[in-house]
Amino acid sequence: QSVLTQPPSVSGAPGQRVTISCTGSSSNIGAGYDVHWYQQLPGTAPKLLIYGNSNRPSGVPDRFSGSKSGTSASLAITGLQAEDEADYYCQSYDSSLSRWVFGGGTKLTVL
Amino acid sequence: EVQLVDSGGGLVQPGGSLRLSCAASGFTFSSYSMNWVRQAPGKGLEWVSYISSSFSTIYYADSVKGRFTISRDNAKNSLYLQMNSLRAEDTAVYYCARYSGNYYGMDVWGQGTTVTVSS
Repeated sequence: QSVLTQPPSVSGAPGQRVTISCTGSSSNIGAGYDVHWYQQLPGTAPKLLIYGNSNRPSGVPDRFSGSKSGTSASLAITGLQAEDEADYYCQSYDSSLSRWVFGGGTKLTVL
Repeated sequence: EVQLVDSGGGLVQPGGSLRLSCAASGFTFSSYSMNWVRQAPGKGLEWVSYISSSFSTIYYADSVKGRFTISRDNAKNSLYLQMNSLRAEDTAVYYCARYSGNYYGMDVWGQGTTVTVSS
């Protein structure tokens, strides 16, 4: 059971928009800790996709966007492409557990 | 090019030991905190351990506390994870990750090294 809750899977057709939610609590996202998103393509290491809730590292397409509100965060992907098919993880810090925490991951399937 | 290269994984029997290494290049290693993160087969990411840039602060996940030891050699641009008393549930791909602070997250990752604990 992950501290941050994500849907196990989402899917969408090419060109569509999908969102992935990340629900936390008052000891992590709700406490003001930043949320980060990572993309893990099949058989590869995770890659930072969104940092500080809504910022994209250099090289990440603007089709990817992040937001945070209250005890939750969301990752939105517009103009879905086949190469977006991957696992996506949210991550934050939990003050009650005194450790970094990840969501359980969401598998994105491009139909 | 900013890069982390993980090594040291392998097959080890339950109760055995293994030392993982992470070689950093392309950035000032001594200025950054580092993490180890693992991923069991078919599972999600799990944070394992953290060490600050100056060695002054070290944290471990409860699941590895007392068995794993994180360390670094800033002169060699290297991060280590000494794993003792290994259990089957420690089987995973282990990644080192550069930590650029609460705002920037884990912004650079190694390619991972596989640890298999089995008799």
